Amino acid sequence: AQSVTQLGSHVSVSEGALVLLRCNYSSSVPPYLFWYVQYPNQGLQLLLKYTTGATLVKGINGFEAEFKKSETSFHLTKPSAHMSDAAEYFCAVSATGTASKLTFGTGTRLQVTL
Amino acid sequence: SAVISQKPSRDICQRGTSLTIQCQVDSQVTMMFWYRQQPGQSLTLIATANQGSEATYESGFVIDKFPISRPNLTFSTLTVSNMSPEDSSIYLCSVLQGMGSYEQYFGPGTRLTVT
Repeated sequence: AQSVTQLGSHVSVSEGALVLLRCNYSSSVPPYLFWYVQYPNQGLQLLLKYTTGATLVKGINGFEAEFKKSETSFHLTKPSAHMSDAAEYFCAVSATGTASKLTFGTGTRLQVTL
Repeated sequence: SAVISQKPSRDICQRGTSLTIQCQVDSQVTMMFWYRQQPGQSLTLIATANQGSEATYESGFVIDKFPISRPNLTFSTLTVSNMSPEDSSIYLCSVLQGMGSYEQYFGPGTRLTVT
């Protein structure tokens, strides 16, 4: 079974500041990990994923995440926040070999201020 | 990536009635899923829509309440039956595009309010 914990339901950063959204997972098998973004009144958009290979993965819109097995973490970062980054971010996990059963975290709402 | 549309985009329904939500994909996909996102909550998988056979439901969800159809590889429906205010949620469909794909793509969602 898999589970995801996202620390911080709300994160506020200034425009231009570093964005760090935290995600820790629990999985009985090697996981596949995902970050999705949800803009207001829209569906989910895949930001990035980790399946195998390089543990630092780059996604769209300048986001990246690093898979750290020893820490069971998959934190999302962006060096410089932009106003357009304001949205809800969800971390998700699935078991190796399939992305059919995604287990989502509770989400982190990112606010970007001037 | 697949382009997914859902109808309706939103609806307000009275308790005791049923609503059928449609999910259309612009290409054939191997797997389709239905999720529920209750207000202020994360997403919960309702079921996997299987083409030509009965859907596979997750714990806590039953066919009588959420009947699902998937007549072909590009289309699925979810019905929310005998609705109550607790069914007020966003319902999203998602797809896995091909064998060995690890990326689920989501539709825009249907925002349902039950009064």
